[in-house]
Amino acid sequence: DIQMTQSPSTLSASVGDRVTITCRASQSISIWLAWSQQKPGKAPNLLIYKASRLESEVPSRFSGSGSGTEFTLTISSLQPDDFATYYCQQYDSYPYSFGQGTKLEIK
Amino acid sequence: QLQLVESGGGVVQPGRSLRLSCAASGFTFSNYGLHWVRQAPGKGLEWVAVIWYDGSNENYADSVKGRFTISRDNSKNTLYLQMSSLRAEDTAVYYCARARAVAGAGDGMDVWGQGTTVTVSS
Repeated sequence: DIQMTQSPSTLSASVGDRVTITCRASQSISIWLAWSQQKPGKAPNLLIYKASRLESEVPSRFSGSGSGTEFTLTISSLQPDDFATYYCQQYDSYPYSFGQGTKLEIK
Repeated sequence: QLQLVESGGGVVQPGRSLRLSCAASGFTFSNYGLHWVRQAPGKGLEWVAVIWYDGSNENYADSVKGRFTISRDNSKNTLYLQMSSLRAEDTAVYYCARARAVAGAGDGMDVWGQGTTVTVSS
């Protein structure tokens, strides 16, 4: 089974900062990676698929990159609405799996 | 609009069974694969199972294989999760979610329900 590891687990940042979250796969998953955002008490919201493709209506300050085993999610200029928990998810092979999550907090 | 609505959660004793449902609207249900994803209290997301758009293929997390069964009724636009031999560690909010890829199971999950809570406790 493929293990997904995110870093950091918690990230403190300020409005306007540029932040990067890393996701590593235990084996190559090509570009079969998605990123989602979840706010407390709500269902997740898809941001990125195929490692770098922006889902429709997602602000362009979000971007994804990477392939193989290492991936990043970057938010170019943090907005107040972006403070949430972020998850990567591989869909290269079954069983699909999520990273443990990165909680983005206000500094 | 695109919508998934889960139902069927509740409190159940260990070892018992429960069936969750997920009613879809606003899109052509039979064109999409569907997932169940769960989230234990205070924890992260855990993928549970997927079923292909036509019901021809299913896959499960190791933690539920042999105990849970995913199914769908395309005539009723409804997804199901039959859960048996429930354990305390199955306690979670259960979400149904649509696969973004048409006629596939990949590209992430682009439509989610609001979740239904399952509590396994004596």
